[in-house]
Parts: sequence; C-alpha cells; structure tokens
Amino acid sequence: GAGVSQTPSNKVTEKGKYVELRCDPISGHTALYWYRQSLGQGPEFLIYFQGTGAADDSGLPNDRFFAVRPEGSVSTLKIQRTERGDSAVYLCASSSLSGSSYNEQFFGPGTRLTVL
Amino acid sequence: AQKVTQAQTEISVVEKEDVTLDCVYETRDTTYYLFWYKQPPSGELVFLIRRNSFDEQNEISGRYSWNFQKSTSSFNFTITASQVVDSAVYFCALRVKAAGNKLTFGGGTRVLVKP
Repeated sequence: GAGVSQTPSNKVTEKGKYVELRCDPISGHTALYWYRQSLGQGPEFLIYFQGTGAADDSGLPNDRFFAVRPEGSVSTLKIQRTERGDSAVYLCASSSLSGSSYNEQFFGPGTRLTVL
Repeated sequence: AQKVTQAQTEISVVEKEDVTLDCVYETRDTTYYLFWYKQPPSGELVFLIRRNSFDEQNEISGRYSWNFQKSTSSFNFTITASQVVDSAVYFCALRVKAAGNKLTFGGGTRVLVKP
C-alpha cells in the first residue's frame, strides 16, 4: 500500500515568510509525528498527534511553529516568520495502534526547507 | 531524560567485510523500545527492527543481526558480508513508554561500502 507522503519535497522561502508543510500518513494509522533533521544529525522530535489532538508538542522549538490535524488524517506543519535556522529536512511519520501500544513509525521522504 | 549515542560517525569497509555499528542508550525507565533505521542517499528512513526492553534475545534477519545487552545498555547492529547497497546512514533510536511515543535518535553512523 501507499506509504507516508509529504509535500512539497522542496521548499525555498525568504526569511520572514510563512510556510506550510503537508503530511499524508499511511491509511488507518492513528498516530502522526513530525521530526526535524538538520544536516549531519539525527532527527529531532517536534510533535505527535493521536487522532486529531496533539498528544505531545514538547519538541516544538518556539511559538512560530504550529501543527494541526483537523480530521485525524492529513497534518500540516506551519512555520511563521521563518528564520535561516529553520532550514532543515522536516520528516513526518505515522504508526498504527496495537492493543494499547503504538507500533513502529514509518517515515515519509521529508520536505527540505531552505530559508534564504 | 533519554539519550542515544552512536560513537562512530563514519565507517568505511570493502565489500564482503562485516561491519558492526555501536549504539549505547540511556534511560531510567524499565519499559522502553529500541529501533534501528536505515537512511539511504534518497533520504527516506527505513525501519529495520524494534526490540522491547524485556526481550534480550539476539535477532538475525538475513545478513543483519542485532545484539541487545541491557547490562551495558547497548544495542549493536552487524551487517555480515556487506554490499554496496548497504551504504547509508544508520540510526539507532529509543522510545521510552513513560515519555510517550516520541523517538530519541542517535547522531547516526555513515557506512560506506566500497566495491
């Protein structure tokens, strides 16, 4: 079946602009996660959703970052007043529920964000 | 707080050699899960294995094998008879049940397999 998809694959923007990054999880996966990966580093957790609600947003770096998942499927990560330091690959993942525990996370191809 | 350390930043081998990737984790919780992911040049993270803290059995899957030792907080990964297609960055990750579902990743080890 289809995996996690993310759009756009690349986004170039100017400092101070607003961007939206979209994630379409694997069908039926109730949990959705956002990570950020800077060059040469491992992914860092940003936020995750169980259904429509953000269950843990402790990784969001500041209030310029916000994410939504209004219908419990597609999610959008929104970044206001972008800064050059926001440049990174933004990864989305999803996982299914097995009993009371979530299974492994499957990742999308990422969106490479470049802030000039 | 959780932490994952992959001390080797890059390993270079010649095809058919074995290569072992080290992973050391830190957590005070007794219920946790360990993972390995592969990130080929295309960039997409590929899930390889999940292990829970109550299962210390080593596992073998084809040319891949994993050694989990709670006594040393390590979860090492060995590729036997490496192939050029194994060239990628490999990440070890930790999920602690008490901290929810987020993964804490190590810094990754880049493996370069030369023909």
